[in-house]
Amino acid sequence: DAEITQSPRHKITETGRQVTLACHQTWNHNNMFWYRQDLGHGLRLIHYSYGVQDTNKGEVSDGYSVSRSNTEDLPLTLESAASSQTSVYFCASSPGQPYGYTFGSGTRLTVV
Amino acid sequence: QKEVEQNSGPLSVPEGAIASLNCTYSDRVSQSFFWYRQYSGKSPELIMSIYSNGDKEDGRFTAQLNKASQYVSLLIRDSQPSDSATYLCAVSLGGYNKLIFGAGTRLAVHP
Repeated sequence: DAEITQSPRHKITETGRQVTLACHQTWNHNNMFWYRQDLGHGLRLIHYSYGVQDTNKGEVSDGYSVSRSNTEDLPLTLESAASSQTSVYFCASSPGQPYGYTFGSGTRLTVV
Repeated sequence: QKEVEQNSGPLSVPEGAIASLNCTYSDRVSQSFFWYRQYSGKSPELIMSIYSNGDKEDGRFTAQLNKASQYVSLLIRDSQPSDSATYLCAVSLGGYNKLIFGAGTRLAVHP
């Protein structure tokens, strides 16, 4: 069965370190997204991609980057982790407009 | 700044009752509308999508859309304790496959 997987499930890192969160989907979806979820803010879009070599900034992109070298993967990199980036991160994929997203199981990141 | 607004709740309903969840959005050209269910500690799960004005029914769930009023709702009939979760409203930004989410409404169904 097709799926979307995120790794790791939990991560603790120190302030200032570079961290990469993985997202891999086998749906063959062109569109992939990264969101963060915090109490009181709901899901906020960090970065998204509509295909290989395409990346776009979302509403909370500062301090994050992504790259899309193939259809299956969209890794999210925190360049220099900050305590404000402690959150739950969700990756999602979609076949495109007008369809909704399928979400991965999430990564809980703690920056200490 | 495009927004999606939901009452945070909690919305408490007795088992067997109808739960009514509401959502308003600001982007007049939004074309796709979704309801997601999220259990505590889990990822959002798509339960309903709606694209045109009116009602769409799927089992115990009915989604309602009124584009003129920029209003989307979700009705859950015969509510069960297993329906207790946070329900997220999501709206596409313009004609693009980019969703803006509301902060969610927490639903509690008590026996």
